[in-house]
Amino acid sequence: DIQMTQSPSSLSASVGDRVTITCRASQSITNYLNWYQHKLGKAPRLLIYGASSLQSGVPSRFSGSRSGTDFTLTISSLQPEDFATYYCQQSYSTPPTFGGGTKVEIK
Amino acid sequence: QVQLVQSGAEVKEPGASVKVSCKTSGYTFTSYYIHWVRQAPGQGLQWMGNINPVNGYTNYAQNFQGRVTVTRDTSTSTVYMELSSLTSEDTAVYYCARSYSGADGSDIWGQGTMVTVSS
Repeated sequence: DIQMTQSPSSLSASVGDRVTITCRASQSITNYLNWYQHKLGKAPRLLIYGASSLQSGVPSRFSGSRSGTDFTLTISSLQPEDFATYYCQQSYSTPPTFGGGTKVEIK
Repeated sequence: QVQLVQSGAEVKEPGASVKVSCKTSGYTFTSYYIHWVRQAPGQGLQWMGNINPVNGYTNYAQNFQGRVTVTRDTSTSTVYMELSSLTSEDTAVYYCARSYSGADGSDIWGQGTMVTVSS
């Protein structure tokens, strides 16, 4: 199975801050990398697919990028509603594995 | 609109089985894979398996091989996930989610079903 290593596991940031979350794949997954936002008691929400494509309806402050097997989710200006846990997921091969998650706390 | 509606919460005893349903609507049922993902208390997301509704072909995570069965009913556009030999470690919220292919992200998710395993 492909391992996805996500960092940091948690972070605390202020409204308006730029936030970066990284995910490293244990082998090449080309661009088959998705990012999800998950809030307590709700279903996960797809934010980014194909490493950098913004899902319809997702605010443009969210963006994704790739460098080799390293992937980054950036929130350009953190908003109060962005308090959540974020997960990366590779969909290059079965099983489609998730990273361990990054919990974002608003200061 | 596109919806995945899951069955209600379940409480099961250790050793029992549970069957969770995921009724789809608002799109062509055979055009999208359905995945099952769970989240145990305090844990992250864990993929369990998926089904191709066209032909019923399934894939399962190694961790659940032999214990999980995903099936579909094309007449009602519903997918089922059955998990057997339950232990307390199977206490979790179970989600169904769709993706256009097995390699795409999941854009629509069910509301989740809480399964509690307790004696």
